[in-house]
Amino acid sequence: TQLLEQSPQFLSIQEGENLTVYCNSSSVFSSLQWYRQEPGEGPVLLVTVVTGGEVKKLKRLTFQFGDARKDSSLHITAAQPGDTGLYLCAGAGNTNAGKSTFGDGTTLTVKP
Amino acid sequence: NAGVMQNPRHLVRRRGQEARLRCSPMKGHSHVYWYRQLPEEGLKFMVYLQKENIIDESGMPKERFSAEFPKEGPSILRIQQVVRGDSAAYFCASSPMGGGGTGNTIYFGEGSWLTVV
Repeated sequence: TQLLEQSPQFLSIQEGENLTVYCNSSSVFSSLQWYRQEPGEGPVLLVTVVTGGEVKKLKRLTFQFGDARKDSSLHITAAQPGDTGLYLCAGAGNTNAGKSTFGDGTTLTVKP
Repeated sequence: NAGVMQNPRHLVRRRGQEARLRCSPMKGHSHVYWYRQLPEEGLKFMVYLQKENIIDESGMPKERFSAEFPKEGPSILRIQQVVRGDSAAYFCASSPMGGGGTGNTIYFGEGSWLTVV
């Protein structure tokens, strides 16, 4: 069974600070997705990373896929209150990629 | 909005009743997935379906839960004889194809919140 561990589980910071959340596994994934979910809504896809060592930037968000494709990180620069939400990583295997394995998420609160 | 459509958004059922949750995938997507989310937890895979076929139901409880994706119409997740432990958010997702890689990124609906009283 593939497992994804996310850390930290909860993070509360002030507006303007930087932060990094981690997604780790002992398994190799063919691709990894990051989602953001707000209360009462479904997860919204932020990015998909496929290649080991890949770095993708989305405005103030930087996503990195580990060289061995077992882990990933999400770095947010100058966090804003609008970044508040539950950040989920999901790993897809080589065969049934729709059966993604989700971490339990990092709940981020950015205080103004 | 051409996204994944789920209904109802909120459903209240008494213990022992049946719950039916519906999901229409994004246009052009033939692969549907159901996930369950408990409060302050991540999503747990339940079942993966293509039109008229169940591909993987390894995450489905053995009893009371069933899913279908008929040739015509939405996918349906059915929970019979609901119990309080079934209270959760149920998310449907769809993708354009199966297999790995970026082409199979899945997109989620806004969820159906089931409350069993």
